[in-house]
Order: sequence, then structure tokens, then C-alpha cells
Amino acid sequence: AQSVTQLGSHVSVSEGALVLLRCNYSSSVPPYLFWYVQYPNQGLQLLLKYTSAATLVKGINGFEAEFKKSETSFHLTKPSAHMSDAAEYFCAVSDRYGGSQGNLIFGKGTKLSVKP
Amino acid sequence: NAGVTQTPKFQVLKTGQSMTLQCAQDMNHNSMYWYRQDPGMGLRLIYYSASEGTTDKGEVPNGYNVSRLNKREFSLRLESAAPSQTSVYFCASSEEASGRYNEQFFGPGTRLTVL
Repeated sequence: AQSVTQLGSHVSVSEGALVLLRCNYSSSVPPYLFWYVQYPNQGLQLLLKYTSAATLVKGINGFEAEFKKSETSFHLTKPSAHMSDAAEYFCAVSDRYGGSQGNLIFGKGTKLSVKP
Repeated sequence: NAGVTQTPKFQVLKTGQSMTLQCAQDMNHNSMYWYRQDPGMGLRLIYYSASEGTTDKGEVPNGYNVSRLNKREFSLRLESAAPSQTSVYFCASSEEASGRYNEQFFGPGTRLTVL
């Protein structure tokens, strides 16, 4: 079964520093990949998605992610953290084929803190 | 466009009580989902409806039932609430249940406490 691993349940960076949130998936066939953000007491909002076009995907709020098949990774980055980036981030994967295998599988999330 | 709406936003139940969480979407999506979110567990799928008229179990269906009332609405029912069902519940919808159109849109959530 498909799975996704997010390394680090908590990441803390200083304002202006690089943000790197890690995500690895388990499928041997490249899946569709998503990053979601959840601000406190809100639902999840899509940041960006990989659907087999460009391997470097740009999302909202200055975030981007690079799909690396050889490393089965889809890490999320932002060059310069802002206080407003403090939130929880979820990586999710969807198989290319139908049925229950197509359901999104979420990682356990990484909480990002930004220090002034 | 309201997107995905959920009611109620908050609910406190006593053990053994029943309740229904309501969800509606106005994006003409085919697929709808119910998740629960617990600290350190990420999101876990309870039930989903790939299309109107169909429902299927997800990862954690025990203690829940669902109804896909029409294309817009998908409700989640707790028949006899238990403290283990204390959680935040999210409804989501997507154009299709798999593949590149499985981008899911989430509602604001329902915070449920079972005493």
C-alpha cells in the first residue's frame, strides 16, 4: 500500500531563513503528490501539487517543491520564512489508478514554527 | 462560491448520544470524504463517496455511518458516541476520487468532544 513519510514532526526556523520540510513516498510508480497547509483552527488548504508535468512545482505564498523520482521525495521549500508561515504542513500522495488506491494518503504532518 | 461548508462548528456530546455532521459543497464535485484529525495522527479517512449513490469505508469506519444525500451533500452520523470519537472532523470534496483530479478541498472542520 502507498505510504508517505514526513521527517520531523516539528521544525523551527528563524524569520528570513530557509524552510525545508521533507516528504518521502513509497510507490514504485510515480504518484500524484500534494502539499497542504493548515493554519490554527482552520481546514487544510492546497499549497501545490505535482501531476507529472514539471518536476519543480511552484505554489502559493512563495513555496515550491521538487519531485525527485530517484529519491522518492517531494520536499517543500521556501527561501525566506515569514512569521505568517507558522502552520502545520501535510504531504499527501494519490496513486495514478482508480479505486480505493486513488484515495489521498496523508503524512502525519510537520508543524513549522518561525522565530522572530 | 462557499466551497465546502460544515455544520456544526463545535459540538459536545455525552457518551451514548447520537448526532449527524452535515457537509455540503457547491463546486459540482463528484467525490466527497470524511476525515478525522487527532494530534500526531495526521488525517485518517473515515468514509468516502466516489460518486453520487456510492459510499465506501476508509481507514477508520467503525462507529460511523454516512449518507450521500445528493451530489452536494454528504453527512456523517455517530449512532452512539464514545470518548474515543473526540476529534476534529473534516469534510472534503474533489472532482474525481483518484489521479490528477483528486485535489481535495476541505471544509473548516467540526470540533467534537464526547464526555
